[in-house]
Amino acid sequence: ETGVTQTPRHLVMGMTNKKSLKCEQHLGHNAMYWYKQSAKKPLELMFVYSLEERVENNSVPSRFSPECPNSSHLFLHLHTLQPEDSALYLCASSHGQGPTSEQFFGPGTRLTVL
Amino acid sequence: ILNVEQSPQSLHVQEGDSTNFTCSFPSSNFYALHWYRWETAKSPEALFVMTLNGDEKKKGRISATLNTKEGYSYLYIKGSQPEDSATYLCAFPPNAGNMLTFGGGTRLMVKP
Repeated sequence: ETGVTQTPRHLVMGMTNKKSLKCEQHLGHNAMYWYKQSAKKPLELMFVYSLEERVENNSVPSRFSPECPNSSHLFLHLHTLQPEDSALYLCASSHGQGPTSEQFFGPGTRLTVL
Repeated sequence: ILNVEQSPQSLHVQEGDSTNFTCSFPSSNFYALHWYRWETAKSPEALFVMTLNGDEKKKGRISATLNTKEGYSYLYIKGSQPEDSATYLCAFPPNAGNMLTFGGGTRLMVKP
């Protein structure tokens, strides 16, 4: 248990569906992250929120829409996804905004887009 | 585009063997270097955050060294055990913020 939970753990959706991934951290951290792990590729940062403000958006397509309503919760809203968006989506959190801040990861949501 | 390279991509060793693998990163504008361990079906877990050239950190049988001038870090595992089987990731912050760029990982399999 890392103190970061993600739901659902597995999700299968069609290209026309709308779904949301949820992340919750119980560590009192003030930064949260979404990462994507595709097959045979490095972990890829998608979004960073610090103090509930989005500070990084790595050219992610608009069909992915993050939301951070408070410092403990992070959502990733999905709509009209493509099969190539099938991947493991990991959430992480950290305390502080510097380059030495250790990140704590959730277990991930395995997404399959049909 | 930031290049964070790890080698080898995968490694099979026998229980009791010692092993090491490499992470290379840009040597300019160094802020820190992170090592994570990711066991199958679990979450990535931080091992070390290294900041100083020549630094060596140790956690049990795992240790890491850092050379910021030439842009590499080594991770060593002494006397590998089956429970050390995991993917070991290094990550490099490209600036003074909290973004991390991850390498592709080294997948270690330790046979009993």
